[in-house]
Amino acid sequence: EDQVTQSPEALRLQEGESSSLNCSYTVSGLRGLFWYRQDPGKGPEFLFTLYSAGEEKEKERLKATLTKKESFLHITAPKPEDSATYLCAVQAEETSGSRLTFGEGTQLTVNP
Amino acid sequence: DTEVTQTPKHLVMGMTNKKSLKCEQHMGHRAMYWYKQKAKKPPELMFVYSYEKLSINESVPSRFSPECPNSSLLNLHLHALQPEDSALYLCASSQWAYNEQFFGPGTRLTVL
Repeated sequence: EDQVTQSPEALRLQEGESSSLNCSYTVSGLRGLFWYRQDPGKGPEFLFTLYSAGEEKEKERLKATLTKKESFLHITAPKPEDSATYLCAVQAEETSGSRLTFGEGTQLTVNP
Repeated sequence: DTEVTQTPKHLVMGMTNKKSLKCEQHMGHRAMYWYKQKAKKPPELMFVYSYEKLSINESVPSRFSPECPNSSLLNLHLHALQPEDSALYLCASSQWAYNEQFFGPGTRLTVL
């Protein structure tokens, strides 16, 4: 069974204090790993797709990396507007259709 | 344009009511999804439509009835819901079944 574990559950940072969020996964064969950002009461916003170990993608203050067992979302010099819940999801090669297995998310708070 | 729209934004209904949620995308995506999300939990997949045909039903109770009138529209018909069905209902779409999914803003449903 595919599993995704995100850590920490919650993270408080001061503005400008860089850190990383972790997404550990167990999947029979990885088709893709997805990162989303979700603000309270809103739908998840797509951030990145990673397909193979060693791949990296960047967008503004965010950088996502992938190994064979985990993915990291690095946040450099965060701002208060980066406060949100960050969700990681995997799609397995053998999955029927287009199922995503989500982690429970990391709730990030950036204080000014 | 990576926008998925959903109406209404909020819906309050009694257990005997019949209502519908609507979702629309104009990105030419061929896969569309319904998710249910409870507070502080990740989205849970309910239904997947691929090329306007239902491809996945995650054993959802029959009081939820999906419909895909055309490649741009997705409806979710609600009838005789229970209070525990109160949640944020999210629609998503993807270009094909195995691409990243783009979510709408959601409909906040309250069942009294």
